[in-house]
Amino acid sequence: AQTVTQSQPEMSVQEAETVTLSCTYDTSENNYYLFWYKQPPSRQMILVIRQEAYKQQNATENRFSVNFQKAAKSFSLKISDSQLGDTAMYFCAFMKLRSGNTPLVFGKGTRLSVIA
Amino acid sequence: DAGITQSPRYKITETGRQVTLMCHQTWSHSYMFWYRQDLGHGLRLIYYSAAADITDKGEVPDGYVVSRSKTENFPLTLESATRSQTSVYFCASSSGNTIYFGEGSWLTVV
Repeated sequence: AQTVTQSQPEMSVQEAETVTLSCTYDTSENNYYLFWYKQPPSRQMILVIRQEAYKQQNATENRFSVNFQKAAKSFSLKISDSQLGDTAMYFCAFMKLRSGNTPLVFGKGTRLSVIA
Repeated sequence: DAGITQSPRYKITETGRQVTLMCHQTWSHSYMFWYRQDLGHGLRLIYYSAAADITDKGEVPDGYVVSRSKTENFPLTLESATRSQTSVYFCASSSGNTIYFGEGSWLTVV
């Protein structure tokens, strides 16, 4: 079974600064996807970024980027130029790559507060 | 472009009552999922379905029943609600490697 671990229950960052959220996972699979989801106070689940394990290049989406270390099974999220709207819970998630869809396995989340 | 909708959005029920949370998607996605979110646990999978009439247990299935008679609907039933089932419930559907979430159903069992 896959497990996802987010070791930082809470973090804070000053507005305009950079912050990195950590995520490690355990799997025997070779092909999989990794995700970061943002959940603001509204509880809506918003996809932030996705990484395919077979791609060596780290995914980026505007101010969000990841550091994917496959051998170390590490998948951290870097938020640059933090904004007040980035305040939210952030979940790391894992999905096996199969012929059909497989469920996401989530970490317990990191609550990020951006301070003005 | 409704996407995926959950109903009710908010529900208070009493211990022992049966409750059904509805989930409807307009995309004809084959796969659908039910998760619950509790403080300190993230999102945990309750049940999922690969197609109509095909369902499978997730991590925390006890106390829940699902059905999938039509591709677009995936109701979740709590046959006899308990206080430990107070939670936020998320329905999701997927196409390829993208999972789409509903807005959540807040359930309180008193």
